[in-house]
Amino acid sequence: DAGVTQSPTHLIKTRGQHVTLRCSPISGHKSVSWYQQVLGQGPQFIFQYYEKEERGRGNFPDRFSARQFPNYSSELNVNALLLGDSALYLCASSLGAVTEAFFGQGTRLTVV
Amino acid sequence: ILNVEQSPQSLHVQEGDSTNFTCSFPSSNFYALHWYRWETAKSPEALFVMTLNGDEKKKGRISATLNTKEGYSYLYIKGSQPEDSATYLCAFTNETKGYSTLTFGKGTMLLVSP
Repeated sequence: DAGVTQSPTHLIKTRGQHVTLRCSPISGHKSVSWYQQVLGQGPQFIFQYYEKEERGRGNFPDRFSARQFPNYSSELNVNALLLGDSALYLCASSLGAVTEAFFGQGTRLTVV
Repeated sequence: ILNVEQSPQSLHVQEGDSTNFTCSFPSSNFYALHWYRWETAKSPEALFVMTLNGDEKKKGRISATLNTKEGYSYLYIKGSQPEDSATYLCAFTNETKGYSTLTFGKGTMLLVSP
């Protein structure tokens, strides 16, 4: 069975641009969460979606948005990129909103 | 603000050594404690999910214990092997409003030399 897949794996963007990151959950999983990991820190929670509805939002500015599609895949969008947005963005999927989470390999975003 | 602390920050041991790491978390509103192993360029791999005080879990040479009353968990690796080299993350969950978020520590980076 395919695990959580994320695309692209690496991305370089310029300050002020926007970016879209994509995530396909494990088949049958209805919940997708997004995390940001900067060097030297643990992953930080950004969003959780369950059954296409936003269930939780972390302490991130409104430049960050996400959505979940009918097939439960998800996109994370970041507008007006800042240098500080450079990080590894992880997607996790789970069966339900409060069950064990399985992670993808992440998207490495570099903002120059 | 929830705080999850892990110690040590890094550890370098010889093949065959046994080692252990500590994860401290808030003891109030506890729901679950997760351990992940994260190898470079790979996905974080779920090792254990523990929910009950006194829980002990084991997978091969790796085991974990949980004390929810005092807010800590230990991860033990018996007879470390070079393939155990990875960052070990713990994450705390408190169920809030029908959804859960993982609050991670910074991790313990383990290097096992042959």
